[in-house]
Amino acid sequence: NAGVTQTPKFQVLKTGQSMTLQCAQDMNHNSMYWYRQDPGMGLRLIYYSASEGTTDKGEVPNGYNVSRLNKREFSLRLESAAPSQTSVYFCASNPLRTGQFYEQYFGPGTRLTVT
Amino acid sequence: SQQGEEDPQALSIQEGENATMNCSYKTSINNLQWYRQNSGRGLVHLILIRSNEREKHSGRLRVTLDTSKKSSSLLITASRAADTASYFCATDARGFQKLVFGTGTRLLVSP
Repeated sequence: NAGVTQTPKFQVLKTGQSMTLQCAQDMNHNSMYWYRQDPGMGLRLIYYSASEGTTDKGEVPNGYNVSRLNKREFSLRLESAAPSQTSVYFCASNPLRTGQFYEQYFGPGTRLTVT
Repeated sequence: SQQGEEDPQALSIQEGENATMNCSYKTSINNLQWYRQNSGRGLVHLILIRSNEREKHSGRLRVTLDTSKKSSSLLITASRAADTASYFCATDARGFQKLVFGTGTRLLVSP
């Protein structure tokens, strides 16, 4: 199993450009998450999807959109990139079954720079 | 805003010593988790402790939770150079796995 995979690993955008970050998991997990990590800080939740077909905002959703394409894939889109979106983006997944607590499994991250 | 604050921000020790890092949080939680992040990598789960548990062990790791003080500690015993990493606590307020991460402790273990 590959676990959680993310593409691309690195990306440089100009202000105003758009792009989509891809995430896929092969663990048959129900929930998926997008986080951003800025220097010297912990991760902050952007969006999450508790199950296929549902998405919800996290702590810092402004400037982003998401799509839960199917159970395996959860993409994050920046419609008009801004320098403030320069960050490392992590995707994660979790089995998420009612009444059960599980760890989150993280991808390797996408390092995005917006100039 | 960050839910958790870790203390210290950075810790430097010698191999064989114990490392203790602390996490304080602001609101009631359902469970608390600790993660490790090696430089330039994703996070790896270490241990989960539920709100009704006070202590949990996993190998060289010992986690305590004091819900009355809204704090947790992670103890790594007999540290190794390979333990060099950043350590984050993350709280889950409602059990839905919407984790809120602390700012992390950078641990350096020197041979």
